[in-house]
Amino acid sequence: GIQVEQSPPDLILQEGANSTLRCNFSDSVNNLQWFHQNPWGQLINLFYIPSGTKQNGRLSATTVATERYSLLYISSSQTTDSGVYFCAVGAGGYQKVTFGTGTKLQVIP
Amino acid sequence: DAEITQSPRHKITETGRQVTLACHQTWNHNNMFWYRQDLGHGLRLIHYSYGVQDTNKGEVSDGYSVSRSNTEDLPLTLESAASSQTSVYFCASSEFPTVSYEQYFGPGTRLTVT
Repeated sequence: GIQVEQSPPDLILQEGANSTLRCNFSDSVNNLQWFHQNPWGQLINLFYIPSGTKQNGRLSATTVATERYSLLYISSSQTTDSGVYFCAVGAGGYQKVTFGTGTKLQVIP
Repeated sequence: DAEITQSPRHKITETGRQVTLACHQTWNHNNMFWYRQDLGHGLRLIHYSYGVQDTNKGEVSDGYSVSRSNTEDLPLTLESAASSQTSVYFCASSEFPTVSYEQYFGPGTRLTVT
């Protein structure tokens, strides 16, 4: 199956700082999502981005499918951005996805 | 608004008991999934369904079963609960192929097996 690696595993930021989270995957994909798991455990959809670039407020994401990676950018971080960020990928005609082990982000005031 | 709900949100049970976790979605999605989340493993797929009467095993299906009798529900049953099944369980749904592969998750059920 597809291998998914996320980096860094842990990240501490001062409020207002910018960051880039990376997701590498081992094979071609036609499904890639970024999620934020908040401190209460809820998984929140951030982006569905199998290729290209999307932006939503302070967050943006880019997937370069040919090079098998995706990046999540967080600008002007806020304490509410704290939590774990997951990348999930899938391939072929199937709906199954494989999750990375996540990047744990802590934003301190 | 359409949503996906799970019940109970918290459950404590004893080793050997049968437990059923409920998942209900009002998105009218064809596809439904069950995952478990454990420290150090991220989310791992247990079972999934592409429609009524369809069920498939995921990567960690041993000790679990599902059935799909309608579009809205995919209950997950632990036949004989074991301490190794203490985890947080998430249900998800998606509407491929008519829209996209994007999956939407429920709030999770925290299960403790003592």
